[in-house]
Amino acid sequence: NAGVTQTPKFRVLKTGQSMTLLCAQDMNHEYMYWYRQDPGMGLRLIHYSVGEGTTAKGEVPDGYNVSRLKKQNFLLGLESAAPSQTSVYFCASSYWGHNEQFFGPGTRLTVL
Amino acid sequence: DQQVKQNSPSLSVQEGRISILNCDYTNSMFDYFLWYKKYPAEGPTFLISISSIKDKNEDGRFTVFLNKSAKHLSLHIVPSQPGDSAVYFCAASTAGGFKTIFGAGTRLFVKA
Repeated sequence: NAGVTQTPKFRVLKTGQSMTLLCAQDMNHEYMYWYRQDPGMGLRLIHYSVGEGTTAKGEVPDGYNVSRLKKQNFLLGLESAAPSQTSVYFCASSYWGHNEQFFGPGTRLTVL
Repeated sequence: DQQVKQNSPSLSVQEGRISILNCDYTNSMFDYFLWYKKYPAEGPTFLISISSIKDKNEDGRFTVFLNKSAKHLSLHIVPSQPGDSAVYFCAASTAGGFKTIFGAGTRLFVKA
C-alpha cells in the first residue's frame, strides 16, 4: 500500500517551459488536492477534485491547470512556468466527508 | 488575510517537559480543526483533530484544546520527546474538509 505518491521529486525549469506533476493514490479516496508550500505561508490550496472528471479552483489557482481522468490520479500542469511558481508542491487525498488528508512526499520545483 | 494564524515560528523545549503550540483563527464557520506534523523532505502527516462541538480531544501524549469564544486552539505534547522535533501545522475546515486552510507552521525543537 503505497499511499500517495508524487512524480517527480525534483525539477528545475526555465521561465516559459511547461511541465506536469503527477499524483497517484491507492486508497480509493474520492477527494484529491494540490497545495503549494512557501516559506512563512503554510500550505495553500491550488486546485481540488471531489471525484473523477471534476475539478475546482482553490485559493491560488492562477497559472495552473489540473485534470482527474481516473479516480486514482490527479495531474497538475504548468503551461508557462514563472519564477513565482518556485515552491514545494504537495498532493493529498481524503475520503468523502472526512477532514483528514493524506499527503504525498512533495515535489520541489525551481523555475529559473 | 490569514484565516488561520500560528504566531510562533519556532519553539524550543527540553525533553520531558510540555510543549504548547498555539493557533488562532478568524472564520467562525470553521467546524473542524486539525494538527499535522511534518518532518523535512516528507509530506505532512495527520496528528490529531477536534470537532467544534468539543473543547478537548486527547490521544496519548497529544491533547488539543479548543476555545471557540476566543477562536483559539492549542496542541499540548506531554512529555515531549526528541522525535517530536518537526514543523506542526494547524488547519481548519468546514464540513466535508475539501476547503482546508493551513497556518504557516511552528517549528518545534525538543532538546535532549
